Amino acid sequence: AQSVTQLDSQVPVFEEAPVELRCNYSSSVSVYLFWYVQYPNQGLQLLLKYLSGSTLVKGINGFEAEFNKSQTSFHLRKPSVHISDTAEYFCAVSDLTGGFKTIFGAGTRLFVKA
Amino acid sequence: SQTIHQWPATLVQPVGSPLSLECTVEGTSNPNLYWYRQAAGRGLQLLFYSVGIGQISSEVPQNLSASRPQDRQFILSSKKLLLSDSGFYLCAWAHPSGQQETQYFGPGTRLLVL
Repeated sequence: AQSVTQLDSQVPVFEEAPVELRCNYSSSVSVYLFWYVQYPNQGLQLLLKYLSGSTLVKGINGFEAEFNKSQTSFHLRKPSVHISDTAEYFCAVSDLTGGFKTIFGAGTRLFVKA
Repeated sequence: SQTIHQWPATLVQPVGSPLSLECTVEGTSNPNLYWYRQAAGRGLQLLFYSVGIGQISSEVPQNLSASRPQDRQFILSSKKLLLSDSGFYLCAWAHPSGQQETQYFGPGTRLLVL
């Protein structure tokens, strides 16, 4: 069975500082990995995804994530955050065996301070 | 392009009353459909998913049920709401590729049971 662990429930950071949101997963098979963002009172939208190929994935709004198979991690990074990046971020995993489910982490609330 | 709608946007219901939340998708055929619940301060809990009309898989036993009367319509119901049913309900769709990729989320319905 798959699982996703987001190691930080909340991450406060000052504007223009770098940020890393951590995500670890467990799965016995190859996986797809995702980061979604949720702004207040809205649904989730895809930030970026790793399916195969280059382990460094670039997404929208200047975010990127690196897939590390040996450490089973998929940490999200941004070199300089803005106030508008304040939101909840979800890491998610789905496997390649033809199943129809995606497992989401508990979420990390990023709070960017002026 | 594809769009996903949910209604109502917000709902306040008394304990013991029935519930019906509707989700519709436009611009795609035979999508995989999902219902999630997001309780305050918690991650996403998959409630139901459907790969076709009349095909519903339940992930968590509870007093909720789901139906898919049409290809692009997904309904979440309850005969008697509990206080613990309060939360943010999200509908999502994905391409019916047989391998799970990106999920596209609706705007959500905020349900408060009093």
